[in-house]
Amino acid sequence: KNQVEQSPQSLIILEGKNCTLQCNYTVSPFSNLRWYKQDTGRGPVSLTIMTFSENTKSNGRYTATLDADTKQSSLHITASQLSDSASYICVVSFSNDYKLSFGAGTTVTVRA
Amino acid sequence: DSGVTQTPKHLITATGQRVTLRCSPRSGDLSVYWYQQSLDQGLQFLIQYYNGEERAKGNILERFSAQQFPDLHSELNLSSLELGDSALYFCASTPSGGTSGRNEQFFGPGTRLTVL
Repeated sequence: KNQVEQSPQSLIILEGKNCTLQCNYTVSPFSNLRWYKQDTGRGPVSLTIMTFSENTKSNGRYTATLDADTKQSSLHITASQLSDSASYICVVSFSNDYKLSFGAGTTVTVRA
Repeated sequence: DSGVTQTPKHLITATGQRVTLRCSPRSGDLSVYWYQQSLDQGLQFLIQYYNGEERAKGNILERFSAQQFPDLHSELNLSSLELGDSALYFCASTPSGGTSGRNEQFFGPGTRLTVL
């Protein structure tokens, strides 16, 4: 069964600190992996998209890594800001299919 | 602003009723996806339309149906509503029919449905 699992479920960090979110997947065959940021009550917004041949992608203070061999990805947030408080969702796309597998998300709370 | 619009923003109705949610994709996008997000749960894929035709089906109940019109806007119809149907409903659009490669999905702001 194709699955995407994220950890931790939630975390609290102080403003200015770094944090790393994890995503493990068993989706096969694999096409790409995306990280989305979802503010409470709003639609998800894409942060990064990585194909299987890429192992790192940055978007400002967000850096995603991908290890296609171990089927693991991480999202690193550098110098966190209060506006980083949101849910971060890992999404994996199948090859030869039109569906996406969504992780349950990690809720990040940044405190001053 | 993703360019995807959804109406209404909020909808409150009673059990047993029927509602219609509307989505307009980004200009030029041919695919529309519908998702349900219940409280504290992840996004659940419901259905996808591509250029007017159903392309893929997810965990969509038989009480739910959707269609995409010639102008590419889409409607999600929810009938015989139950308390458990209360959720955020998102639509997303992509330029083409698949999700492989760098085909990014752009999400709308969502419709919050409350069934009383």
